[in-house]
Amino acid sequence: GDSVTQMEGPVTLSEEAFLTINCTYTATGYPSLFWYVQYPGEGLQLLLKATKADDKGSNKGFEATYRKETTSFHLEKGSVQVSDSAVYFCALTQGGFKTIFGAGTRLFVKA
Amino acid sequence: DAGVIQSPRHEVTEMGQEVTLRCKPISGHNSLFWYRQTMMRGLELLIYFNNNVPIDDSGMPEDRFSAKMPNASFSTLKIQPSEPRDSAVYFCASSLGQGSETQYFGPGTRLLVL
Repeated sequence: GDSVTQMEGPVTLSEEAFLTINCTYTATGYPSLFWYVQYPGEGLQLLLKATKADDKGSNKGFEATYRKETTSFHLEKGSVQVSDSAVYFCALTQGGFKTIFGAGTRLFVKA
Repeated sequence: DAGVIQSPRHEVTEMGQEVTLRCKPISGHNSLFWYRQTMMRGLELLIYFNNNVPIDDSGMPEDRFSAKMPNASFSTLKIQPSEPRDSAVYFCASSLGQGSETQYFGPGTRLLVL
């Protein structure tokens, strides 16, 4: 079945460091890919998405490119801030209504 | 616009008691999802509805859990009887229901069963 694998955390960075969180997926067709973010005490919210191969999703300085050849959707940000500390979830949907979420990666950013 | 609304935000109960969690999805959304989040098991999909009809309840842990969606603007998740291992944060989410689109999450209900 469809699945999402993302790097284990926690990831600890200093402010202004470069961030990469790896995400790979397994799917039989052509899924839509998402990154959701969860801040402490809140529900998940959409960070960015891409619906077809080679699309780049971007928001708040974060970006991720849909790579079909490597079945990947890695999240990157050039300069993280303390306020980016959160849990990041990679996810996919394919056709139906159900979304498959990765296990989440916790990010800590130190001032 | 109001987002997904969940109540209560926090619930503390004793083992054996009935617990009812409530959710109001975003108006116009046709799909509704119930999730459970714990440190040990992460985010788990319990059940989801489309047009008020349960589509997949394979994630419901056991018969103690039940969910209903009597109309497009309201859903409940009931645990009877509750057990300490049910302690978790329960999220409701909704989406347009056209497939492959963004889900909008509520703030969650933090449940503690003593």
